[in-house]
Amino acid sequence: AQRVTQPEKLLSVFKGAPVELKCNYSYSGSPELFWYVQYSRQRLQLLLRHISRESIKGFTADLNKGETSFHLKKPFAQEEDSAMYYCALRRGSNYKLTFGKGTLLTVNP
Amino acid sequence: GAGVSQSPRYKVAKRGQDVALRCDPISGHVSLFWYQQALGQGPEFLTYFQNEAQLDKSGLPSDRFFAERPEGSVSTLKIQRTQQEDSAVYLCASSAQGTSYEQYFGPGTRLTVT
Repeated sequence: AQRVTQPEKLLSVFKGAPVELKCNYSYSGSPELFWYVQYSRQRLQLLLRHISRESIKGFTADLNKGETSFHLKKPFAQEEDSAMYYCALRRGSNYKLTFGKGTLLTVNP
Repeated sequence: GAGVSQSPRYKVAKRGQDVALRCDPISGHVSLFWYQQALGQGPEFLTYFQNEAQLDKSGLPSDRFFAERPEGSVSTLKIQRTQQEDSAVYLCASSAQGTSYEQYFGPGTRLTVT
């Protein structure tokens, strides 16, 4: 069975500080990993995926297969980054997503 | 173009009532997924369609839950004899065939069973 763990329910940082949202997964194969974001009163949207290896809105995430982690990082947090962040896994291109419980990030001025 | 839409956005049902939740996927998207999100939890998979075929319904919590997509576009999730534990946000997502298969989510339907 596949599982995604986000150990922090809440994370609060000050503007300009670095931020890291943790994500660990368990899956025996080679999964695809994603970060989804939900801003206040908006729908869930894809932030980034490990396959593309790109930086979106200053966020990056590296898949560490040895530690089975996919932590999301940003060197300088902005107030507009305040949102709910979900890590998700899927075992292939056209399969269901398995989500973590989410981390609510608050960036204080 | 328009994204995934869902209706109603909010639904209050008395325990024991039947409800029907609708999802309009992005035009041309072959795959459609339903997820259930309880308060304080991440979305959990319910069922998956490819065109009109329901290929995976392993996440449906009981036989009171039924989903259909008869013409391969609009989908309806029906819950019979609703219970309080059915209270949640029901999310629909669609994706196109292609290299990324990105799932685009609708705004959700918040169901409250009283």
